[in-house]
Amino acid sequence: GENVEQHPSTLSVQEGDSAVIKCTYSDSASNYFPWYKQELGKGPQLIIDIRSNVGEKKDQRIAVTLNKTAKHFSLHITETQPEDSAVYFCAAPPWGLTGGGNKLTFGTGTQLKVEL
Amino acid sequence: NAGVTQTPKFRILKIGQSMTLQCTQDMNHNYMYWYRQDPGMGLKLIYYSVGAGITDKGEVPNGYNVSRSTTEDFPLRLELAAPSQTSVYFCASSPPGSYEQYFGPGTRLTVT
Repeated sequence: GENVEQHPSTLSVQEGDSAVIKCTYSDSASNYFPWYKQELGKGPQLIIDIRSNVGEKKDQRIAVTLNKTAKHFSLHITETQPEDSAVYFCAAPPWGLTGGGNKLTFGTGTQLKVEL
Repeated sequence: NAGVTQTPKFRILKIGQSMTLQCTQDMNHNYMYWYRQDPGMGLKLIYYSVGAGITDKGEVPNGYNVSRSTTEDFPLRLELAAPSQTSVYFCASSPPGSYEQYFGPGTRLTVT
């Protein structure tokens, strides 16, 4: 099955700085890479995703880049604000598993803290 | 739409007790999932369902059971609770043809 590794586990930045979180995946057949944001006491929520036919996707202050050759993808947050403080998870479909169901394998999460 | 709702929000169980975690979605999604979240370990898939009457094991199914009698409900049953089942449990749903998963607010379970 898919193995997804995420780094760093914690990240502290000053307000206004940029933050970058990186994930690597193992299955070269994977073609969908989402990022989820989990605020304290809540369930994760999709914030951006990318498919393997594009190298970069942007949505206001957040962007995701994909390097299929190296099998890694990254979340970029620019001009960070205190409300960006949360846990961020990357994910990829476990193509090696049977049964369908559009399952996802999640990374271990990054705790981002934006300091004033 | 209420989205995905979970009850209870918190629960403390004694070792050996049993309980059912409830999950309901009102978005008419076919796919539903149960995850557990442990500190530093991300989200691990326990069970999933692609429709009423169809369930399958995920990555960490031992000690749990599920049923899916309706499209809306996907309860998770813990039999003979153990301290290793202390965790936060999330239910999620997804429409067919989409990988986007919609998560509930979670249930924090402590087994002592």
